[in-house]
Amino acid sequence: AQTVTQSQPEMSVQEAETVTLSCTYDTSESNYYLFWYKQPPSRQMILVIRQEAYKQQNATENRFSVNFQKAAKSFSLKISDSQLGDTAMYFCAFMSPRDDKIIFGKGTRLHILP
Amino acid sequence: SAVISQKPSRDICQRGTSLTIQCQVDSQVTMMFWYRQQPGQSLTLIATANQGSEATYESGFVIDKFPISRPNLTFSTLTVSNMSPEDSSIYLCSVGVTSSYEQYFGPGTRLTVT
Repeated sequence: AQTVTQSQPEMSVQEAETVTLSCTYDTSESNYYLFWYKQPPSRQMILVIRQEAYKQQNATENRFSVNFQKAAKSFSLKISDSQLGDTAMYFCAFMSPRDDKIIFGKGTRLHILP
Repeated sequence: SAVISQKPSRDICQRGTSLTIQCQVDSQVTMMFWYRQQPGQSLTLIATANQGSEATYESGFVIDKFPISRPNLTFSTLTVSNMSPEDSSIYLCSVGVTSSYEQYFGPGTRLTVT
């Protein structure tokens, strides 16, 4: 069975700094998708970034980028020039195209301090 | 992406009653999912709502407790039956985009059972 582990329950950084959120996963599959979701206090789940396992190039979306290490089964999220609006719970997630079911990590609560 | 709405956004219910949550999507989608997020926790998949057939439930969730309907490709309902305080959670629906393997979430329904 697939598992997703986020080892940092909570983090705080100053505005404009760069922060990296860690995520590791376990699977025996070779083809899968990895995601980072953001859940602000409003509770709306927002898809931040997506990575396809068969693509070696790391995904980027504006200030958000990932470091995907397939052999190490690691998928970290880097937020550059952090902003107050980045304050949220961040979930790392795994999905197999066999069944489209998403498995979420426990989340990292990120606080951006003014 | 897809625009997803849920009704109600929140409700307070008495023990032993039932609540039906609606999920509406602005486009036709094949895959719809229902999740539960207990206070301060991650998301747990309840079931996959299949159009034209019975929902597929995850381990620990049963149809008698969480009946699901999927009458068409844009709408689904989740009923939480015979509620107890342990059912107090946020319930979220999501839709899957087959071409990109991305999932988008509704705003959630916050349920409190007294």
